[in-house]
Amino acid sequence: NAGVMQNPRHLVRRRGQEARLRCSPMKGHSHVYWYRQLPEEGLKFMVYLQKENIIDESGMPKERFSAEFPKEGPSILRIQQVVRGDSAAYFCASSLLTGTPDTQYFGPGTRLTVL
Amino acid sequence: TQLLEQSPQFLSIQEGENLTVYCNSSSVFSSLQWYRQEPGEGPVLLVTVVTGGEVKKLKRLTFQFGDARKDSSLHITAAQPGDTGLYLCAGGKKNNQGGKLIFGQGTELSVKP
Repeated sequence: NAGVMQNPRHLVRRRGQEARLRCSPMKGHSHVYWYRQLPEEGLKFMVYLQKENIIDESGMPKERFSAEFPKEGPSILRIQQVVRGDSAAYFCASSLLTGTPDTQYFGPGTRLTVL
Repeated sequence: TQLLEQSPQFLSIQEGENLTVYCNSSSVFSSLQWYRQEPGEGPVLLVTVVTGGEVKKLKRLTFQFGDARKDSSLHITAAQPGDTGLYLCAGGKKNNQGGKLIFGQGTELSVKP
């Protein structure tokens, strides 16, 4: 039973380019969360999605960031026109959400470096 | 703003010693999850506690959820070098549609042989 998959594991972009981060949830999980871990900081929630729906995007920066979880395929976190401050580890988590507790399982992360 | 205060931030101990990590908040959480994270990897779930006063044991690790579900602790008995890592607590507020986790800042544990 594969865990949460994320790719790429490492991504290098120059300022102004676009970054696309992919997340495949655990088998049977239909809820995906994205978190960001900045250097020397804790994990911060960004967005929560279910299939074809954004449920909570209260942690997403207002500009340049978007996320989707289509009916088929992985969830995508997209960062347009990247800046150096976007350099961080981005983690995806998935959950099953049947009763309590709603435990979230994390992927290995994508480390984004903006040059 | 919901906050989880985790302490201590750094802990360096000798093999065989006991330690406790605390996670405190003014908010009530429906669940509290503890993770361990290795450098370059994602957080790995250790335990989830959901009932006030609940105690769970995982070998030498004991997790407790406060009666009011606002705080939690992780106690490690006879620490070993293999316990070295970043320990994270995360609080969840469940509603009918799930919800985000609020993370503490983490405790960086170093166990020296």
